[in-house]
Amino acid sequence: DTGVSQNPRHKITKRGQNVTFRCDPISEHNRLYWYRQTLGQGPEFLTYFQNEAQLEKSRLLSDRFSAERPKGSFSTLEIQRTEQGDSAMYLCASSSVSYEQYFGPGTRLTVT
Amino acid sequence: GQQLNQSPQSMFIQEGEDVSMNCTSSSIFNTWLWYKQDPGEGPVLLIALYKAGELTSNGRLTAQFGITRKDSFLNISASIPSDVGIYFCAGLEAGGTSYGKLTFGQGTILTVHP
Repeated sequence: DTGVSQNPRHKITKRGQNVTFRCDPISEHNRLYWYRQTLGQGPEFLTYFQNEAQLEKSRLLSDRFSAERPKGSFSTLEIQRTEQGDSAMYLCASSSVSYEQYFGPGTRLTVT
Repeated sequence: GQQLNQSPQSMFIQEGEDVSMNCTSSSIFNTWLWYKQDPGEGPVLLIALYKAGELTSNGRLTAQFGITRKDSFLNISASIPSDVGIYFCAGLEAGGTSYGKLTFGQGTILTVHP
């Protein structure tokens, strides 16, 4: 069990560019979650996958955001036409049948 | 959306002191989780609670699932410098259609003076 991994750890991009983040969950976990965290706040739910199916999306996930988990293993989160307000820590978590979610180290996005 | 009220927002204590923090909600929760987050890292799960009234320990940490199912408490005994960090409560709301969407509190920043 190597834990949840996320890449890259840091991303600096210019406004208007597209970015993609990757999450590799704990291998036996079939549930995968994306959260966003801004400074001084707790994480906020973005979306949830069970295996390859995206079962829930937050209203925070605008049309510029898309997430995939094509084979039920790793997941990607893409942000198109980034805006300065997208600057945040993007966290991925995974769980098995329980609701105990284990988080990765996060990807820190800075939009200049 | 649902908010969890976590208090205190910050605490400054001396090494060796005990710490208490709590989390309240206007809605009923089925599950309460407590996490610790260090700067630049993801939250680390400390304790999970599943039943009203449940009291669970993990080393020097003890957490309780409130009887009303609308609150939870975390205690840290005999604090040490490595307890420094931000502690978050998180809950899974009862009766919703969510598949595990956690709602987080705003965190308690803990500083321990040696």
